[in-house]
Amino acid sequence: QKEVEQNSGPLSVPEGAIASLNCTYSDRGSQSFFWYRQYSGKSPELIMFIYSNGDKEDGRFTAQLNKASQYVSLLIRDSQPSDSATYLCAVNWGGAQKLVFGQGTRLTINP
Amino acid sequence: KAGVTQTPRYLIKTRGQQVTLSCSPISGHRSVSWYQQTPGQGLQFLFEYFSETQRNKGNFPGRFSGRQFSNSRSEMNVSTLELGDSALYLCASSLAPGAGADTQYFGPGTRLTVL
Repeated sequence: QKEVEQNSGPLSVPEGAIASLNCTYSDRGSQSFFWYRQYSGKSPELIMFIYSNGDKEDGRFTAQLNKASQYVSLLIRDSQPSDSATYLCAVNWGGAQKLVFGQGTRLTINP
Repeated sequence: KAGVTQTPRYLIKTRGQQVTLSCSPISGHRSVSWYQQTPGQGLQFLFEYFSETQRNKGNFPGRFSGRQFSNSRSEMNVSTLELGDSALYLCASSLAPGAGADTQYFGPGTRLTVL
């Protein structure tokens, strides 16, 4: 089992719809979870972080965490073409200040 | 507040050479981590420094090393370069280790090409 798993996509969503990105992780000791967005040729940009079970909303973005199921998700509402990018799920492994990344989900928003 | 800065942005080296990359964290951030990104392996953790001490190290050979200075700036060094070391090297900084302060912000990266 990979440490952090994401569907690689590509995921194609029409403009204005909700994009749903999923991630599972294998380390039960991890406490901090992050979503980064990476445009082609650029470095990762922080979108959301979440530490507690439940939902966390920030504008059009909602992160969801379920530690019992070892599952993190990101919802993007009212998707825009500018949201087209690769989304990386990252877990602070065992609380050790070591981010372990999934392979990323490539998201395309179609106008 | 200025973000994480990395120099140089681009480097071309030949096999067998060595290279030093530099990272200046966000002001007030004391933890610096380094990552390697390649198309095949994705983003992989190299090492992390806090208060001039290496606290964590990833699964990379000893050719990869780093250090942190008292002003939290960090350098990483790769000796005896191999073709497979061609990658985007990313530095990330955070306030400190521990949930609540451990959010990492990435610099623009250094693109290293080994010929």
